Amino acid sequence: KAGVTQTPRYLIKTRGQQVTLSCSPISGHRSVSWYQQTPGQGLQFLFEYFSETQRNKGNFPGRFSGRQFSNSRSEMNVSTLELGDSALYLCASSSARIQGTGELFFGEGSRLTVL
Amino acid sequence: QKEVEQDPGPLSVPEGAIVSLNCTYSNSAFQYFMWYRQYSRKGPELLMYTYSSGNKEDGRFTAQVDKSSKYISLFIRDSQPSDSATYLCAMTDSNDYKLSFGAGTTVTVRA
Repeated sequence: KAGVTQTPRYLIKTRGQQVTLSCSPISGHRSVSWYQQTPGQGLQFLFEYFSETQRNKGNFPGRFSGRQFSNSRSEMNVSTLELGDSALYLCASSSARIQGTGELFFGEGSRLTVL
Repeated sequence: QKEVEQDPGPLSVPEGAIVSLNCTYSNSAFQYFMWYRQYSRKGPELLMYTYSSGNKEDGRFTAQVDKSSKYISLFIRDSQPSDSATYLCAMTDSNDYKLSFGAGTTVTVRA
């Protein structure tokens, strides 16, 4: 069974640009969550999608957005990049119908560097 | 103050030692408690999952939850160099089901 796949694995952008990250969940998983991981703040919840609907959102500015497609694949977008957006962005999928009550399967992440 | 506090370490122990990790939290609505392990350049993977208070054992790993003290622990017995990783506690708020992670503790087991 294939795991969670995230693309691209590494990318470098400059301030003001935008970026789109992609996540393919484990087959059959309908819940996809996104997290930002930095050395200073640790893992912070961005948002969670279930069957194409955003069910939950963390405390991030509106520059961070996401969506989920009918095949459960998800994308997140960050517009007007800032230096502080440099981080590892992790996607996780789950078969749990209720967020946070089941095992999360994480991808290896997309490492974004903003110059 | 963060909702979940975890000492980032680093923690270095000799092979065979018992590793003790813990997290404290402030939100009394946390009901689901998890420990994830993250190897360098990898995503986290679930180690232990506990609902509400109590102990849970799985092989060399034991998770404890004390809701009265808002304190959770993970013990690793007979530690191995392959246990060298960052260990993250996580917990879910039963009101909004958001998952909150600790900062992670980096553990090195010396051969």
